[in-house]
This record gives sequence, structure tokens and C-alpha cells, in this order.
Amino acid sequence: EDKVVQSPLSLVVHEGDTVTLNCSYEVTNFRSLLWYKQEKKAPTFLFMLTSSGIEKKSGRLSSILDKKELFSILNITATQTGDSAVYLCAVRTQGGSEKLVFGKGTKLTVNP
Amino acid sequence: GAVVSQHPSRVICKSGTSVKIECRSLDFQATTMFWYRQFPKQSLMLMATSNEGSKATYEQGVEKDKFLINHASLTLSTLTVTSAHPEDSSFYICSAEKDSGLEYFGPGTRLTVL
Repeated sequence: EDKVVQSPLSLVVHEGDTVTLNCSYEVTNFRSLLWYKQEKKAPTFLFMLTSSGIEKKSGRLSSILDKKELFSILNITATQTGDSAVYLCAVRTQGGSEKLVFGKGTKLTVNP
Repeated sequence: GAVVSQHPSRVICKSGTSVKIECRSLDFQATTMFWYRQFPKQSLMLMATSNEGSKATYEQGVEKDKFLINHASLTLSTLTVTSAHPEDSSFYICSAEKDSGLEYFGPGTRLTVL
């Protein structure tokens, strides 16, 4: 059974801290790994990773994938209260049934 | 950008009634749309994959006669929860796949069955 495991499940930090969110996966046919940010409603796309070792960056957020060790990390530097959200990691499988398999998410709370 | 809308955003219904939820891709055509369910403090669970012009593919454990999916056009998919019961209360989210392969999510529908 395909599965995606995120850690920690929740995290409370102060503004300005740097956080690292983890995502490990076990899937039969890996195609890509995606990170989403979910505030009150639907997830919004952050990154899509397909190749090992290539860091993707967007402002204070960055992410990297290790396909050998089957995990990815999402880094957020100089956190702000607006970064408070649930961060979801999902793996897209390929083959007969292409779909996204989601982890349970990491709930990040950034206090002022 | 890619915008996906859902309607209604929130619905409360009595047990035994049916509820229809619409998912629309507003600025692109989507051959494939997905329906997810999210329980409190849980992740998104894929219910079914909806392909325009063909029958939906349901995930294991999802009753196709209870959750009817229709994908009549390249911009619209509907999910009908038939004979809803309190245990069907959940947050239902759809997504539409753009030709880039990325899924764009709708804002979700909060269903409460009394």
C-alpha cells in the first residue's frame, strides 16, 4: 500500500525561526512529490519535485527531494505568522492509476 | 493561473436526503478531475478520479452507488452524495488537472448531515 508519512505532526515556533518539515514515502511507482499549504480551505501548490538533489526555492521556502532515501524536506526561513498553516506532502504515482497520495500534514503555528 | 471553484461552500442537510456538489475549472479545461474527502485533523483521501465522458474510477472502500460522479464537460464535474447520513459529514474537495500535470484544488465544501 502506498503511504506518505510527515513529521512532525505539529510544530510551534516564534517569528523569525527556521523550520524543517519532513516527508518520507513508500510508493510503488513514483512520479513526483508535491508540497501544498493548506490554510482554512483548499490546499495551494508550493512545489513539485521530480529529481533528486535539486533544490526548489520560492522566497523563504525551499524544498529538496532524495529519491534514494525516499524523503523530502520543506524549509521555511525567517518564519512569519502568515506561514501558520498545515503543510501537506503528496506523492504522485504513475502507471495504471495515477493519483496523489497525501500525508497527514504538519500543522505549523508561528507565534509573534 | 488556474482557478477551480466549488459550489456550495457549505451545506447542511437532513439524513436520508441527497446533496450535489459542483466542481468547475474556470479558466482551463480539465480532462481529469479528482474528488477528495478530508475528516478533521486527517489528510485528504482520494475518493475517485473523474474522467470527462467516461465512468469515474473509485478508490477501494468508496461506494460508487452512494457517491455518484458525473463529468459531463471539460469544465464541470459533480459529486452527488445519495441518502446522506451523519457519518458522511466531512469536507469534500475537488481538484482539476491542468495539462501541466498539476492539480489545482477547489475551495472545498463542508457537508453536515443532521
